[in-house]
Amino acid sequence: AQTVTQSQPEMSVQEAETVTLSCTYDTSENNYYLFWYKQPPSRQMILVIRQEAYKQQNATENRFSVNFQKAAKSFSLKISDSQLGDTAMYFCALYTIQGAQKLVFGQGTRLTINP
Amino acid sequence: DTAVSQTPKYLVTQMGNDKSIKCEQNLGHDTMYWYKQDSKKFLKIMFSYNNKELIINETVPNRFSPKSPDKAHLNLHINSLELGDSAVYFCASSQILRQGSYGYTFGSGTRLTVV
Repeated sequence: AQTVTQSQPEMSVQEAETVTLSCTYDTSENNYYLFWYKQPPSRQMILVIRQEAYKQQNATENRFSVNFQKAAKSFSLKISDSQLGDTAMYFCALYTIQGAQKLVFGQGTRLTINP
Repeated sequence: DTAVSQTPKYLVTQMGNDKSIKCEQNLGHDTMYWYKQDSKKFLKIMFSYNNKELIINETVPNRFSPKSPDKAHLNLHINSLELGDSAVYFCASSQILRQGSYGYTFGSGTRLTVV
């Protein structure tokens, strides 16, 4: 079975600071994808960044980057120069290509950016 | 606009009633999903359809019945609503590729409140 764990229920930083959200996962498969989704107060689920497990290079999307450690099964999200609009719930998710073929989510981290 | 749209956005109903939530996607994706987000924000898959065929059916009460008339639509019908059914229900779609998935596109969610 696939599991995703986010050990930080809540985090809070000042605007313009850098923040890192942690995620660990477990799967017995070699081929999978990892995602970070953002859910602002509007409730919409927004894809932030995507990482293919077979790629060693860490994915980057503007101010968002990941630290993918495959051996440790760790997938953290770094937000640089944080902005007020980054305030949201952040979910880490795992998709396996064989087997279940469903997106499995972590419990989420509530991130607050303070002015 | 290309999107996943679900209706209604809000639904308040009494215990024992039957209700439906509709979902449509115009992204040309071949797979659609229903997820339930509980009061603690945890997201869990309920159903998945690929080209109108049910492929994932998690341990969901029989009162929940999905229907997919075509690959662009996936509706959720709930019979005999209970207080515990109160949650946010998300529809999502994805194109399943041999090498994986680019991620899911989510609708804006339906907040169901059973009173």
